[in-house]
Amino acid sequence: DAGITQSPRYKITETGRQVTLMCHQTWSHSYMFWYRQDLGHGLRLIYYSAAADITDKGEVPDGYVVSRSKTENFPLTLESATRSQTSVYFCASRNEGDSNQPQHFGDGTRLSIL
Amino acid sequence: GQNIDQPTEMTATEGAIVQINCTYQTSGFNGLFWYQQHAGEAPTFLSYNVLDGLEEKGRFSSFLSRSKGYSYLLLKELQMKDSASYLCAVRDSNYQLIWGAGTKLIIKP
Repeated sequence: DAGITQSPRYKITETGRQVTLMCHQTWSHSYMFWYRQDLGHGLRLIYYSAAADITDKGEVPDGYVVSRSKTENFPLTLESATRSQTSVYFCASRNEGDSNQPQHFGDGTRLSIL
Repeated sequence: GQNIDQPTEMTATEGAIVQINCTYQTSGFNGLFWYQQHAGEAPTFLSYNVLDGLEEKGRFSSFLSRSKGYSYLLLKELQMKDSASYLCAVRDSNYQLIWGAGTKLIIKP
């Protein structure tokens, strides 16, 4: 039972570069989410997806792109990385159905942009 | 705007009881979640409340008052492994989770 996995766990890159963070889940959950977590802030939603080929913006989508061609994968791309995007990124998923379904999180990607 | 407030940090003694409060102002309410997050790790689900009252789950209990926009997480018989951040999140009218910044709980022997 692999659950939800993120890769890479750690990434250092330079401003202006493109970087893609991967997220894979084995539960066949309908919903998937990308958050960033910064000191002093709660988790902030970047993008989410309700199903394959359906994505929508969250609270802080600028500078990010997502796709969901398959139910199990939800990659997040920073098209031209900026220092303000240095953060810990978490992917999460949840089942469709009752609203009491919690989100389950991957282990996170720690991204540093120099 | 939407807002979730929690204390930034709390300290408690091993074996004692601690209550972590959460107040919220959101556009709509469709449930409140508590998560635990150890340093450097992912958040993990602890509890869910959608109706007023207390939900008990072992050493952890969570309370909700929708009229007051208030919840608390009660941890009993504290253990050193309970040292972590505790995150409060409210599901709003769009069924999105709005997160508090978290409460860092320090347990002292």
